[in-house]
Amino acid sequence: EDQVTQSPEALRLQEGESSSLNCSYTVSGLRGLFWYRQDPGKGPEFLFTLYSAGEEKEKERLKATLTKKESFLHITAPKPEDSATYLCAVFSGGYNKLIFGAGTRLAVHP
Amino acid sequence: DGGITQSPKYLFRKEGQNVTLSCEQNLNHDAMYWYRQDPGQGLRLIYYSQIVNDFQKGDIAEGYSVSREKKESFPLTVTSAQKNPTAFYLCASISGNNGYTFGSGTRLTVV
Repeated sequence: EDQVTQSPEALRLQEGESSSLNCSYTVSGLRGLFWYRQDPGKGPEFLFTLYSAGEEKEKERLKATLTKKESFLHITAPKPEDSATYLCAVFSGGYNKLIFGAGTRLAVHP
Repeated sequence: DGGITQSPKYLFRKEGQNVTLSCEQNLNHDAMYWYRQDPGQGLRLIYYSQIVNDFQKGDIAEGYSVSREKKESFPLTVTSAQKNPTAFYLCASISGNNGYTFGSGTRLTVV
């Protein structure tokens, strides 16, 4: 069964303290791994798509990497505005269905 | 601007009442999806539709129904058979290599 597991569940950082979020996945034939950011009470916002092991994508203070079993979202010198829940998802089965991890709640304090 | 519009933002349901959540998109996407989000859990798929007049059950379809009479619209009805409907509901459509585009969500509460 396809599965996505994210860790940690919650992460508290001081402003400027770099860290990484983990997304472990089990899927039959990876067709895409997605990272989203979700603010409270809002819909998820697309960040990155990764397709093959070794691929990396960057956007401002965020960098996503992919191996054959997991993906990391690296946050460099975070700011309070980076506080959000970060969701990881993969395509599962046919019809472009996404399955999601439970997310990592990130809080960045000044 | 193109996007997905969900309404209402907040919805209250009485016991035994059916309620309908609206989802409209102007992105010209064929496929649309409904997910449910509960605290501490990932998004769970309720129903999806690949094309007009066709839809399939997701992982937690019991107590829900949908229709897809128009490409732009994919409403979700939460029926009285859904015993624990309080949750945040998200509508999405496929956006090529970017995965899904999501709406802003509807928060449903049982009163």
